[in-house]
Amino acid sequence: DAKTTQPPSMDCAEGRAANLPCNHSTISGNEYVYWYRQIHSQGPQYIIHGLKNNETNEMASLIITEDRKSSTLILPHATLRDTAVYYCIVRVGYSGGGADGLTFGKGTHLIIQP
Amino acid sequence: DAEITQSPRHKITETGRQVTLACHQTWNHNNMFWYRQDLGHGLRLIHYSYGVQDTNKGEVSDGYSVSRSNTEDLPLTLESAASSQTSVYFCASSESARNPYEQYFGPGTRLTVT
Repeated sequence: DAKTTQPPSMDCAEGRAANLPCNHSTISGNEYVYWYRQIHSQGPQYIIHGLKNNETNEMASLIITEDRKSSTLILPHATLRDTAVYYCIVRVGYSGGGADGLTFGKGTHLIIQP
Repeated sequence: DAEITQSPRHKITETGRQVTLACHQTWNHNNMFWYRQDLGHGLRLIHYSYGVQDTNKGEVSDGYSVSRSNTEDLPLTLESAASSQTSVYFCASSESARNPYEQYFGPGTRLTVT
């Protein structure tokens, strides 16, 4: 699986959009980009994933560059409850089979300032 | 609502004792996973299961065992607890037919081995 690089920490003002970058320059054509977050003392929470098209759900938007070497997770209106560690993970595509787990790096500690 | 639960939430045990951590999910997911989280290491995969009677070793499986006798439960057993196994343990589940890397995590069990 491709390695990912994320900044160790970021600040964002409450109510503003939080843009979290992730570099995955060695990503292969069949690898997806996943984002999870972990609020202090809780289990990780799935946010969103994508292959090459931009994706949006009720939590966030995922923008993947055309060359797929990097992506950005966007939280459109950050709140204090969005303070967490955000993990960008690259995994090969699935075909209805099982999964052998996720590899979590150190992620980005996003701090939402009031 | 469907959920994934872990018990106990906190456990203190002595070196050499056998300990079992419970994980129960009501989503009817076929994939289940155990991870441990330590400062400086992120989450690491211990064991995983694709379904009843199936178990597989993860990255850090030494000293741990699992068994899957039904869809809902994947208990994690520490055969002879060691201080190095002091950690926070997270259980997760996912559905193969949907996306095995969209995993849902439990609240965690904090284990201290003295």
